Amino acid sequence: DAGVTQSPTHLIKTRGQHVTLRCSPISGHKSVSWYQQVLGQGPQFIFQYYEKEERGRGNFPDRFSARQFPNYSSELNVNALLLGDSALYLCASSLGVGLNTEAFFGQGTRLTVV
Amino acid sequence: AQSVSQHNHHVILSEAASLELGCNYSYGGTVNLFWYVQYPGQHLQLLLKYFSGDPLVKGIKGFEAEFIKSKFSFNLRKPSVQWSDTAEYFCAVNPASGTYKYIFGTGTRLKVLA
Repeated sequence: DAGVTQSPTHLIKTRGQHVTLRCSPISGHKSVSWYQQVLGQGPQFIFQYYEKEERGRGNFPDRFSARQFPNYSSELNVNALLLGDSALYLCASSLGVGLNTEAFFGQGTRLTVV
Repeated sequence: AQSVSQHNHHVILSEAASLELGCNYSYGGTVNLFWYVQYPGQHLQLLLKYFSGDPLVKGIKGFEAEFIKSKFSFNLRKPSVQWSDTAEYFCAVNPASGTYKYIFGTGTRLKVLA
């Protein structure tokens, strides 16, 4: 069975540019969440989507946006990149939202902003 | 604000030594609790989870954790570590409030010496 797949695995961008990260959830999962993991820290919640609607947003600036498509895949967009946006971006999928649901994480996209 | 504390940032053990990693969270209501492991170059993998019931939870690879509600703790244990347990370990909490996001601790880097 395919797990959560993310693309690309690595990319390098220049300050001020825009980036789009993609995530395909496990088949049958309707919820996708995005996390940012800066080196030396635990993942920080960015967004959660369920049935194509935003269900939660973390403490990130408006430069970060996301959406979920009818096939439940998702994109995370970051505008006007800053050096501090360099991080591992993780996508997690789950059957639903709420308690007693387990999140499955992808391998992440390593973004380097220079 | 809800938070998760992992008090041991770096732990070095010899093979066959016993392991206990601390995790405390700050939320008084119902929670789901998780321990994830991240091996070098790999994605986050679930070690074990607590949803309800028996507070002593057994996971994969010989790991277990005990939920002590009165202490807001969910410590991870393993009686005898192996070199292959070298990895970073993250405690995560999913509190039953608002957005069902995972709140991660900062992680503990475990190095097991052969």
